[in-house]
Amino acid sequence: DQQVKQNSPSLSVQEGRISILNCDYTNSMFDYFLWYKKYPAEGPTFLISISSIKDKNEDGRFTVFLNKSAKHLSLHIVPSQPGDSAVYFCAASNNAGNMLTFGGGTRLMVKP
Amino acid sequence: EAGVAQSPRYKIIEKRQSVAFWCNPISGHATLYWYQQILGQGPKLLIQFQNNGVVDDSQLPKDRFSAERLKGVDSTLKIQPAKLEDSAVYLCASSAGHQETQYFGPGTRLLVL
Repeated sequence: DQQVKQNSPSLSVQEGRISILNCDYTNSMFDYFLWYKKYPAEGPTFLISISSIKDKNEDGRFTVFLNKSAKHLSLHIVPSQPGDSAVYFCAASNNAGNMLTFGGGTRLMVKP
Repeated sequence: EAGVAQSPRYKIIEKRQSVAFWCNPISGHATLYWYQQILGQGPKLLIQFQNNGVVDDSQLPKDRFSAERLKGVDSTLKIQPAKLEDSAVYLCASSAGHQETQYFGPGTRLLVL
C-alpha cells in the first residue's frame, strides 16, 4: 500500500520554462512534506520542505504547494535549468520530519 | 564538512551468501538511518538509530537483516543469507536530531545473483 505516490515517472521541459512535479498522499496523519533531488550514483539531497500548517513555501527558483484537502503537493521550478535534470522524490512524515515515507520518484529532463 | 560516507560502493554476491555495509555519518549527528531503494522505487526506511539505540526497526526483515551502531557513531548493516530480492541500493542517512534534515550518503549498490 503506497502512502505516497508520484504518478508521473518522467517529465521533460524546455530550459527556461516551468517544471511542475506532483505528489499525492493517502495518510491524513502526515504533517510534514519534503522534496529531495537525486543525481545518478549519488544519494538524495534535500531541496525544500513544507509543514502542514502552510500551503506554500518558496526558496529561490523552487516553490512547494500543499493542498491538504486534496492530499496533494507539487514542486514548481521556475525557470528550469539543464542542471535541474535529476530524479525528484517527495517524502512525507507524521512526526515533523522523522520517519520519512518516500514516493517512487519522477525523472525530470530539462532540455537546453 | 565531510558528508555521509558509505562503503563499499558496489557489491556482487551469490544468493545465500552474507554481506555487510558500513556507514560513517556526519560528525556530531545523533540520528542515523538505513534505507533500501529497489530499482524504480523510492527509498524505504529499514532502521533508525538515535545515538546507539534503535528508535524504529519495524520494516527491517529481522530474520536476515541486522544492524548495529556501536558507540553511537559508525553503523553496519548485515544481510545473512542474501536473497535475489535484496538486490537494491542501500542508503545511509544522518541528521543532527530526529526531526532535522536528513543527509544521505552515496549508497551501496548490491547485486545478488
